[in-house]
Amino acid sequence: GAGVSQSPRYKVAKRGQDVALRCDPISGHVSLFWYQQALGQGPEFLTYFQNEAQLDKSGLPSDRFFAERPEGSVSTLKIQRTQQEDSAVYLCASSLVVTGTGFSYEQYFGPGTRLTVT
Amino acid sequence: DQQVKQNSPSLSVQEGRISILNCDYTNSMFDYFLWYKKYPAEGPTFLISISSIKDKNEDGRFTVFLNKSAKHLSLHIVPSQPGDSAVYFCAASPLGGSNYQLIWGAGTKLIIKP
Repeated sequence: GAGVSQSPRYKVAKRGQDVALRCDPISGHVSLFWYQQALGQGPEFLTYFQNEAQLDKSGLPSDRFFAERPEGSVSTLKIQRTQQEDSAVYLCASSLVVTGTGFSYEQYFGPGTRLTVT
Repeated sequence: DQQVKQNSPSLSVQEGRISILNCDYTNSMFDYFLWYKKYPAEGPTFLISISSIKDKNEDGRFTVFLNKSAKHLSLHIVPSQPGDSAVYFCAASPLGGSNYQLIWGAGTKLIIKP
């Protein structure tokens, strides 16, 4: 079946522009995660959805970052008034929550969106 | 402060030999550990995991060892193959309510020499 897809794959934005990054998770996956990965670093958690509910947004670096998943499938990460420090790869991951036995730790990642703010 | 550390940015190994990638962690509340593999321009792919109640988990050529007293885990790949050349990330999940949140190391780039 299809994996996690993200679009666009590359985005160049001028400082101050708004951007929207899209994630299509694996069909049927309840959990969806967004990560930010700076060059030479591991992914850093941004936010987590279970279906349409955003259960954790503790990793969002500022109020310029906003994520939504209105119908519990596709998710959009929006960054307003982009700054140079927002330049990074934004990764989306989904996982199948195993009910009754806890969470499924395995997360399936999309290829990421490389955002460059000039 | 980095809770998950991969101190070797890169590692070069001859094809056919054993590759050993290391990971240290500081938080004793971590109870589940995962290794992911990443090729350029792709997202990380799950490789193997281990629960804190075990000290070893094996899957084909890949074995993960966990030393809780030393807060250290390692990934062994034997024999190493050219397709193993990638960046390997160690990730940990904390015990408790936020156990979905993975804490990642910075990665080790493994280069397999023919």
